[in-house]
Amino acid sequence: AQKVTQAQTEISVVEKEDVTLDCVYETRDTTYYLFWYKQPPSGELVFLIRRNSFDEQNEISGRYSWNFQKSTSSFNFTITASQVVDSAVYFCALSEYNNNDMRFGAGTRLTVKP
Amino acid sequence: DSGVTQTPKHLITATGQRVTLRCSPRSGDLSVYWYQQSLDQGLQFLIQYYNGEERAKGNILERFSAQQFPDLHSELNLSSLELGDSALYFCASSAPGGTEAFFGQGTRLTVV
Repeated sequence: AQKVTQAQTEISVVEKEDVTLDCVYETRDTTYYLFWYKQPPSGELVFLIRRNSFDEQNEISGRYSWNFQKSTSSFNFTITASQVVDSAVYFCALSEYNNNDMRFGAGTRLTVKP
Repeated sequence: DSGVTQTPKHLITATGQRVTLRCSPRSGDLSVYWYQQSLDQGLQFLIQYYNGEERAKGNILERFSAQQFPDLHSELNLSSLELGDSALYFCASSAPGGTEAFFGQGTRLTVV
């Protein structure tokens, strides 16, 4: 079965610092999908990005960027110039093409201090 | 607003009781997922339905069951509740093809 590891339980940074959240995954499928979700203090889960296994292009969206490397089975998430509003728990998730459940990592709690 | 609606938002009940959580997926989505989020277990996949059929099963207890109805809404039934069942229960829906899942606001269940 697929597995997602987010080794960083908690990260604390000061506003305007860059921060990278690590995600390592395991899967036997050649076709799979990777996701990042944000869970702010209000509790809802907000979709940030999806990446499929055939697309290793890195993506940038404003202050957010994602680095997908199949060679190391990693899908890391970087926030540039962090802001207090970025404080949340961030989850990485994996869904295999032949296995429909989306498995989540344990999450990384990011605290951005002013 | 994700478009996924969960009711109720909060539920307080006693041990041994049975509750039903309801989820309405986004318009057009055929898949519904249920997740349990507790402090010590993180976000755990429970079960997935696709167009009324059970598609995948995770760490769902035998005391729990779910179904998806012809109008695609889903219900999660939790019975013989224990204190340890207190958690945030999320429903999510997605379109076919491994696309992203969109989550509802969750139902916070407190068992006392």
